[in-house]
Amino acid sequence: EVQLVESGGDLVRPGGSLRLSCAASGFTFSSSGMSWVRQAPGKGLEWVSCISSGSSYIYYADSVKGRFTISRDNAKHSLFLQMNSLRAEDTAVYYCAREIYYDSSAYDYWGQGTLVSVSS
Amino acid sequence: QSALTQPASVSGSPGQSFTISCTGTSSDVGAYNYVSWYQQHPGKAPKLMIYEVTNRPSGVSNRFSGSKSGNTASLTISGLQAEDEADYYCSSFTSSSTVLFGGGTRLTVL
Repeated sequence: EVQLVESGGDLVRPGGSLRLSCAASGFTFSSSGMSWVRQAPGKGLEWVSCISSGSSYIYYADSVKGRFTISRDNAKHSLFLQMNSLRAEDTAVYYCAREIYYDSSAYDYWGQGTLVSVSS
Repeated sequence: QSALTQPASVSGSPGQSFTISCTGTSSDVGAYNYVSWYQQHPGKAPKLMIYEVTNRPSGVSNRFSGSKSGNTASLTISGLQAEDEADYYCSSFTSSSTVLFGGGTRLTVL
């Protein structure tokens, strides 16, 4: 069974940093493109970043470029999101998601999400 | 980039069929056949319903179908059922190699 379990969400002050993790199991993680998608409270989905299976290709939404860094450890079946210079507008549930196949931009498995709250 | 444009809400009666639209530009929806649709129930993670404009993942009911014309993609739900009441989001690959979501459509089953 495919499972994605996010962790690391917390309450942080504006300007602070946080590192999210996503533990994957039940599929060949090293062959899958992965992404982070967030959802602010009561709002819609917003794509954040993606990383190819071998980390060769990485892309970011303009809203987080230069502040967030996506990475992965295929040996540990884990996906990460390092978030720096956090702003109030980064407050959201952050989901990790698996691409149904490479370059499809479609996500067939999602985690349960982890809440990041940015507030003073 | 602005979100893809979806109607904020739609409603229908059980058994009806109707369509949710998703309008983008020639840099996203109009340029690529990488349009997806997601269903999200309150407090739950999104569920992939359609990918590559028309493809249904295994396990998704054939009451759900997708299409595209120009810069507008559409999700059609036939034989509306109570459990279809949810939020629906479209998404598209873009010329910047990013993914853009729509603002979401709340479907209410009367």
